[in-house]
Amino acid sequence: AQKVTQAQTEISVVEKEDVTLDCVYETRDTTYYLFWYKQPPSGELVFLIRRNSFDEQNEISGRYSWNFQKSTSSFNFTITASQVVDSAVYFCALLTGTASKLTFGTGTRLQVTL
Amino acid sequence: GAVVSQHPSWVICKSGTSVKIECRSLDFQATTMFWYRQFPKQSLMLMATSNEGSKATYEQGVEKDKFLINHASLTLSTLTVTSAHPEDSSFYICSAPGGASSGNTIYFGEGSWLTVV
Repeated sequence: AQKVTQAQTEISVVEKEDVTLDCVYETRDTTYYLFWYKQPPSGELVFLIRRNSFDEQNEISGRYSWNFQKSTSSFNFTITASQVVDSAVYFCALLTGTASKLTFGTGTRLQVTL
Repeated sequence: GAVVSQHPSWVICKSGTSVKIECRSLDFQATTMFWYRQFPKQSLMLMATSNEGSKATYEQGVEKDKFLINHASLTLSTLTVTSAHPEDSSFYICSAPGGASSGNTIYFGEGSWLTVV
């Protein structure tokens, strides 16, 4: 069975602080994809990144960076110099097998204040 | 780029009535679509897999007679909440895989907020 754990339910930071959102996953599959989505209050899911299980390279996109560690089954997400607009719920998700259905973590609510 | 569109974005219905939510792939074909439900401050839970031309596959605990799914064409899946009750009030969102040509991207609709009064 697949499982995604986001242990941090809610995080509050002050603008310009760096923040890391944790994601730990479980799967017996050797081929899988990991995702991060942002969900603002309006509800839509904003795709941030997809990483396949064979690509452990860390990635940086502007203020966003991702650290994929297969050895610890983690796919953590760091926002550098956070901004108020980063306030949202962030979901980590796992996709395995040939189907395209995602297993989502419980989400981390990030609150960035001035 | 490829887009999945959901309609309506918001719907309020009376208890006991039925409401239909549409999920359309706008410039690609989707033989499979997925329906998720999200209660306030909770995660997204997969309800069912919608299969074009055949019956939907429901996740454990989801009542198939209550949540009717129809995938009559390669670009449209509909979710009908029948005899809606206040406990069905939730955020419903669909997704569709874009396929190899999209780099196996999964596209999500904008979501539909259902309130049953």
